[in-house]
Amino acid sequence: QSALTQPRSVSGSLGQSVTISCTGTSSDVGGHNFVSWYQQYPAKAPKLLIFEVTRRPSGVPDRFSGSKSGNTASLTISGLQGEDEADYYCSSYAGSYIVVFGGGTELTVL
Amino acid sequence: QVQLAESGGGLVKPGGSLRLSCAASGFSFSDYYMAWIRQAPGKGLEWVSYISTSGSTKFHADSVKGRFTISRDNAKNSLYLQMSSLRAEDTATYYCARVGGWSYAYWGQGTLVTVSS
Repeated sequence: QSALTQPRSVSGSLGQSVTISCTGTSSDVGGHNFVSWYQQYPAKAPKLLIFEVTRRPSGVPDRFSGSKSGNTASLTISGLQGEDEADYYCSSYAGSYIVVFGGGTELTVL
Repeated sequence: QVQLAESGGGLVKPGGSLRLSCAASGFSFSDYYMAWIRQAPGKGLEWVSYISTSGSTKFHADSVKGRFTISRDNAKNSLYLQMSSLRAEDTATYYCARVGGWSYAYWGQGTLVTVSS
C-alpha cells in the first residue's frame, strides 16, 4: 500500500496551463483505469474533479482534464484562475479493495 | 442533496478507544459502498476502511488492521468506525465518503481525532 508519487508543488500564471503528475506502479495506476483526482482547500473536505482517469463529475469545469500513460496519470488545468490555488490529490484502485492516494501537490497561481 | 455528517471525534489517550459515526441523508444509503478516509494534520489523504452495501464485506488498511472496525446500520442510514488501541499516529481528521467506482464523490466535513496523553 505505498502512496502514489506527486510533485510537492507546482505553479503557473493566470490563464496558463499546468500539469500535475501522479506516478504509481503496474499494480495500481498502470493496472486499472480507476484513477481519480481531488481538489482540497485548507480546512475543507476534498472535492472530486476527475474519476476513471478522464471523466468529470457534473459541475466540474472542462478546464480540468485527466489522462494516463503507463504507470503515470496526469491532471491538466488549463486557463488557470486564482480559485484554482489549492492542494490536489490523485488516487488509484490498487486491487483487493485497496485505494491508494498520492502525497498531494500544492498549486500556486502566480 | 447528498449529505454526510461525521461525529464522535475528540481527545483520547494512547491505548484508548473511540467510535466515530457518520449520518447520511439525501440518497439511498443502503445502495452504496462507504469508506473512511483520514488526513493527519498537514499531511495527505489515507484510505482507512471500506464496507459493502450489506456490511458483509469489509477491508481495512494495514495501518489500522486489527485495531479499527468499520460497520454500518442501513436502517439508521449510519456508518461507524470503532477505533481501539489508538496511537499518536492515528491523530487525524476522519472523513466518511460515499464510494462510486473506486472514487469518492461525496465527503463529510470531517471529525478530528487527537491521540495524546
